[in-house]
Amino acid sequence: LAKTTQPISMDSYEGQEVNITCSHNNIATNDYITWYQQFPSQGPRFIIQGYKTKVTNEVASLFIPADRKSSTLSLPRVSLSDTAVYYCLVGDISAGGSYIPTFGRGTSLIVHP
Amino acid sequence: SQTIHQWPATLVQPVGSPLSLECTVEGTSNPNLYWYRQAAGRGLQLLFYSVGIGQISSEVPQNLSASRPQDRQFILSSKKLLLSDSGFYLCAWRLAGKETQYFGPGTRLLVL
Repeated sequence: LAKTTQPISMDSYEGQEVNITCSHNNIATNDYITWYQQFPSQGPRFIIQGYKTKVTNEVASLFIPADRKSSTLSLPRVSLSDTAVYYCLVGDISAGGSYIPTFGRGTSLIVHP
Repeated sequence: SQTIHQWPATLVQPVGSPLSLECTVEGTSNPNLYWYRQAAGRGLQLLFYSVGIGQISSEVPQNLSASRPQDRQFILSSKKLLLSDSGFYLCAWRLAGKETQYFGPGTRLLVL
């Protein structure tokens, strides 16, 4: 299972763009990269997933370089409500039951007024 | 649409007492089911997962156990709780071949 490394915490201000980078040096060919968001006292919820290049949805963008050894979650114009913990997961989602989603400590993002 | 339920929402138990947390999923069939625990300020620790009825895999050896008596029911149990069992317990489901996990509302357990 590919190991991921993220910053433990980040601070930002309302209206700024926030980029959270995740390192996954031993990512395998079939692995996808997925990001989750967790608010206090709630379970994590899916934000975005990608395999290579760039993926964008209504919430965020995910940038994956050609070597796929890292990925960057980009949150445009954050607000106070984006204060949460963000987790990066890497794994072969096609592996059926043998794929075990593993959450690290994540990155705690605090958005200031 | 699919929903996932957990109960109870909060629980205060004395050390040495038994535990039973229940998780049920509606609106899907044959989901992969997971139990996670989150200590205060920490990440999610996977405790158990199940790919089918009666199939349980344990990730961390401890005084907890899990069972899956029905396709969409997952139970976390303990015969004797420890102080270290305190935490936020989350149940989640996922369809095989899909990445997205869907989490329940969680149970906050305090062992005194």
